[in-house]
Amino acid sequence: NAGVTQTPKFQVLKTGQSMTLQCAQDMNHNSMYWYRQDPGMGLRLIYYSASEGTTDKGEVPNGYNVSRLNKREFSLRLESAAPSQTSVYFCASSEPAGVSGANVLTFGAGSRLTVL
Amino acid sequence: QKEVEQNSGPLSVPEGAIASLNCTYSDRVSQSFFWYRQYSGKSPELIMSIYSNGDKEDGRFTAQLNKASQYVSLLIRDSQPSDSATYLCAVNPRSGTYKYIFGTGTRLKVLA
Repeated sequence: NAGVTQTPKFQVLKTGQSMTLQCAQDMNHNSMYWYRQDPGMGLRLIYYSASEGTTDKGEVPNGYNVSRLNKREFSLRLESAAPSQTSVYFCASSEPAGVSGANVLTFGAGSRLTVL
Repeated sequence: QKEVEQNSGPLSVPEGAIASLNCTYSDRVSQSFFWYRQYSGKSPELIMSIYSNGDKEDGRFTAQLNKASQYVSLLIRDSQPSDSATYLCAVNPRSGTYKYIFGTGTRLKVLA
């Protein structure tokens, strides 16, 4: 059971280049997320998809686009990379847990992106 | 005021001691609270969740929630060097929503 799989693990881009981060989960979760983690800033939500066919902006969506390809896959695209997008990116998925109905997040291993 | 605040640390404790990690949050109506552990270079993994006032114990870990004081804590008993990591506090303000607010984390160092 792989859980949440992200590719690539490492990527170096030049300013203005584009790329797509791929994420797939095999837990049959409805909800998927993309976060970025920067030193001193904590995890910040970029976009999320509550269910297949829907996507919504999070806290820091500018410069990113997402696609929920199917229930398993949720990709994050940088159309024109900027040095400010240098970060570690985490994909996560969730399903409501327990009587509270709160969504418990399961994270992928992360993708370290450097934009020069 | 940050929505979820944690002391960045490092918090250093000797092996076998109790480590106490603290977190405060600003949204009084928040309902769900989580502690994630993150080893250096790795992804966060869930340690504890707590939804009601009081204590919740799981092995060496105890989460404590005080909604009146808007305070959640994590106690690690019999701390081991393998507990050395960054501990992230996360708050889900309303169940059924997808907005999680993460603190910046407290780095814990357990000294052998």
